[in-house]
Amino acid sequence: AQTVTQSQPEMSVQEAETVTLSCTYDTSESDYYLFWYKQPPSRQMILVIRQEAYKQQNATENRFSVNFQKAAKSFSLKISDSQLGDAAMYFCAYRSPYSGGGADGLTFGKGTHLIIQP
Amino acid sequence: GAGVSQSPSNKVTEKGKDVELRCDPISGHTALYWYRQRLGQGLEFLIYFQGNSAPDKSGLPSDRFSAERTGESVSTLTIQRTQQEDSAVYLCASSLPPQGWAEAFFGQGTRLTVV
Repeated sequence: AQTVTQSQPEMSVQEAETVTLSCTYDTSESDYYLFWYKQPPSRQMILVIRQEAYKQQNATENRFSVNFQKAAKSFSLKISDSQLGDAAMYFCAYRSPYSGGGADGLTFGKGTHLIIQP
Repeated sequence: GAGVSQSPSNKVTEKGKDVELRCDPISGHTALYWYRQRLGQGLEFLIYFQGNSAPDKSGLPSDRFSAERTGESVSTLTIQRTQQEDSAVYLCASSLPPQGWAEAFFGQGTRLTVV
């Protein structure tokens, strides 16, 4: 089974600054999908960004970008120009294309609580 | 509907009572997941449905927990004889079949409080 580790339970950043959230994973598969989800206090999980493992180019979505290091099994999220609305829990997730879903199909890390200081 | 809908949004129940939580997935999404999220914790997998295949129940914590789904429509998660440790947010997600991207879309969850 795959595992996803987020080693930072909480991070704090000043508004307008840049912050990086770390995520590492363990897998024996060569192709897979990685996601970052945001969960604000409303509880709604929102997809922030995604990366397909066979693509070497790092994904970017406006102020959000990833640093995907396949050999190191690392998938960090960089948030530039942090805004108050970015405050939330951030979850890193791994999806296997082979398991067909279920317990091993979509695995989440324990999350990082991001605080934005005004 | 446009998104995954869960009801009720909040539920307070007395210890020992049964509760039923409902998830209405996005139309056409054959895959459906239930997760439990305790306060300040990550997502704990409970059960997975994919079309008409037998569900993956490997995450259900005890036989007090059960879930049903008819075809590709609504799913209900039932917790019998609720205990205080069952207090959590229960999240439902749906997706297209797990091929390619198959991004999971989440509902807003049901916050269950057992008193």
